[in-house]
Amino acid sequence: EPEVTQTPSHQVTQMGQEVILRCVPISNHLYFYWYRQILGQKVEFLVSFYNNEISEKSEIFDDQFSVERPDGSNFTLKIRSTKLEDSAMYFCASSDPGLAGDEQFFGPGTRLTVL
Amino acid sequence: DAKTTQPTSMDCAEGRAANLPCNHSTISGNEYVYWYRQIHSQGPQYIIHGLKNNETNEMASLIITEDRKSSTLILPHATLRDTAVYYCIDTFTGRRALTFGSGTRLQVQP
Repeated sequence: EPEVTQTPSHQVTQMGQEVILRCVPISNHLYFYWYRQILGQKVEFLVSFYNNEISEKSEIFDDQFSVERPDGSNFTLKIRSTKLEDSAMYFCASSDPGLAGDEQFFGPGTRLTVL
Repeated sequence: DAKTTQPTSMDCAEGRAANLPCNHSTISGNEYVYWYRQIHSQGPQYIIHGLKNNETNEMASLIITEDRKSSTLILPHATLRDTAVYYCIDTFTGRRALTFGSGTRLQVQP
């Protein structure tokens, strides 16, 4: 069964450094998403991406965040200058709007630890 | 914030049906009800969704009241692997962002 994959599974970085989290969505999906979950808290929507542009973003997704689909398979989330409060699980998801209902398929997540 | 309300936690005996309620009293006519679950720290997993009719798939059944103000997710024969946090989410068709609340923590007991 096709699945969303994410790399790395765990990323440790120093405050102020840039990180890139990578995702490979399901191949025929057209919508891509990033969510995050701070330890012990709710899953929070960050951004959705369709047709090579951001279609929706939350207040969390400020100028330090960016997303890109650099090729036909990868979808990345860049955090330009990490802060301690960026430590969280980051989940990538994808969906196919052709399916009846827009179910989103989530990856296993990348645990980001900012020191 | 999430527009749905769910009990914080529930227990269920293994092999029995788990019935998870959700209140979505402010739902509008074109909003669907989606159910996802999150097992431990894994990525959320889609379970089922519906608009106004009851729905069933290989994982669960979804019963939506006639006034659409509440729904119940039914896991017909809960197993230990169904222990998870279950989220009820309402969203407009065409709005992709999922707004997760705190969900219901279901503990399936042996």
